[in-house]
Amino acid sequence: NAGVTQTPKFQVLKTGQSMTLQCAQDMNHEYMSWYRQDPGMGLRLIHYSVGAGITDQGEVPNGYNVSRSTTEDFPLRLLSAAPSQTSVYFCASSYGQRDGELFFGEGSRLTVL
Amino acid sequence: AQTVTQSQPEMSVQEAETVTLSCTYDTSESDYYLFWYKQPPSRQMILVIRQEAYKQQNATENRFSVNFQKAAKSFSLKISDSQLGDAAMYFCAYGRGNRDDKIIFGKGTRLHILP
Repeated sequence: NAGVTQTPKFQVLKTGQSMTLQCAQDMNHEYMSWYRQDPGMGLRLIHYSVGAGITDQGEVPNGYNVSRSTTEDFPLRLLSAAPSQTSVYFCASSYGQRDGELFFGEGSRLTVL
Repeated sequence: AQTVTQSQPEMSVQEAETVTLSCTYDTSESDYYLFWYKQPPSRQMILVIRQEAYKQQNATENRFSVNFQKAAKSFSLKISDSQLGDAAMYFCAYGRGNRDDKIIFGKGTRLHILP
């Protein structure tokens, strides 16, 4: 079972470059989300989606864009990378809170120079 | 806004002993869910235990149990008979009892197991 797949696992960018972190799930989950993990800060929610065509902002949305054109995919876009966006990014999905746990991808380590 | 606070950045426990990790949260909702997730060095996030706010009975999963105090907005995790494999970051998380809402995490507690 693939579960939640994130790509790439590692990426180095220069300031000002753009990139997209890909996230795909094969569990037919309605709910998908992106978190960033920084030392001492825990997991902070960037954006989330409760279904295709619906997205909403989390705690730290600035500098990131998302879209949800299909149930399976939820890409995270950095339009102009900044060193403050150096972090480990996690994509997670679930049927919804009432139905159980969040399933996480393996994480993507992004470094912005 | 809902918040989740874990006041212990790091803890240590002797192998085979019992340890309790603290978590408090702030919400005005009456219907919500609480979670404890474990993140070992592999970085993979693993659900440890889940508690529905409407249930008075504390959730248990083998050696893991919670002490859910709704009035005090407290949700601590007790690990009994600690094992070396329990060494990890532990995150407390909150979700409002609405299918269409986000899940918020605390900053985490790093647990060390001393052999």
